[in-house]
Amino acid sequence: EPEVTQTPSHQVTQMGQEVILRCVPISNHLYFYWYRQILGQKVEFLVSFYNNEISEKSEIFDDQFSVERPDGSNFTLKIRSTKLEDSAMYFCASSRLSNTGELFFGEGSRLTVL
Amino acid sequence: KQEVTQIPAALSVPEGENLVLNCSFTDSAIYNLQWFRQDPGKGLTSLLLIQSSQREQTSGRLNASLDKSSGRSTLYIAASQPGDSATYLCAGGNNAGNMLTFGGGTRLMVKP
Repeated sequence: EPEVTQTPSHQVTQMGQEVILRCVPISNHLYFYWYRQILGQKVEFLVSFYNNEISEKSEIFDDQFSVERPDGSNFTLKIRSTKLEDSAMYFCASSRLSNTGELFFGEGSRLTVL
Repeated sequence: KQEVTQIPAALSVPEGENLVLNCSFTDSAIYNLQWFRQDPGKGLTSLLLIQSSQREQTSGRLNASLDKSSGRSTLYIAASQPGDSATYLCAGGNNAGNMLTFGGGTRLMVKP
């Protein structure tokens, strides 16, 4: 069964360093998303991406964050200068349709900022 | 702004019991509502998706309902099993590209 894959599964970084989290969405899906879950808190929306541009973003997704689809398969989230409060599980998701589409999530990338 | 709440936060039941998990949302203009399962340290597994025009969806022992007028959704699990132990999350989709707003989840433990 097709699935969303994410790498790395766990990354530890020093505060101020750049981090890139990678995702391979399901192949025939057109809409891509990043969500995050800080330990013990709710899953939060970061950004949605369609047709090579951001379609919606939350207040969390500030100038330190960027997303890119560098080729036909990968979808990346870059955090330019990590802060302690960026420590969280980051989930990539994809859907075939927009408003009425079912979202499929990856296993997540755990980011620890020291 | 959509707010999604799940009560109770935790639930423990004996194996074989039928149970209902509750989800409430503040903005009835949701486009869809999706239920997920999350095992500890793992990703989110989609269980059921209900469109705003639907009232319920069924998959195996799971049945989810949606009542937009009252701002509620329920997930019914029949004949619970220890393997059902996990955190169950509901999330409402908005009208601008499927941004999901998540509830805090209900942590379910089914005891053998």
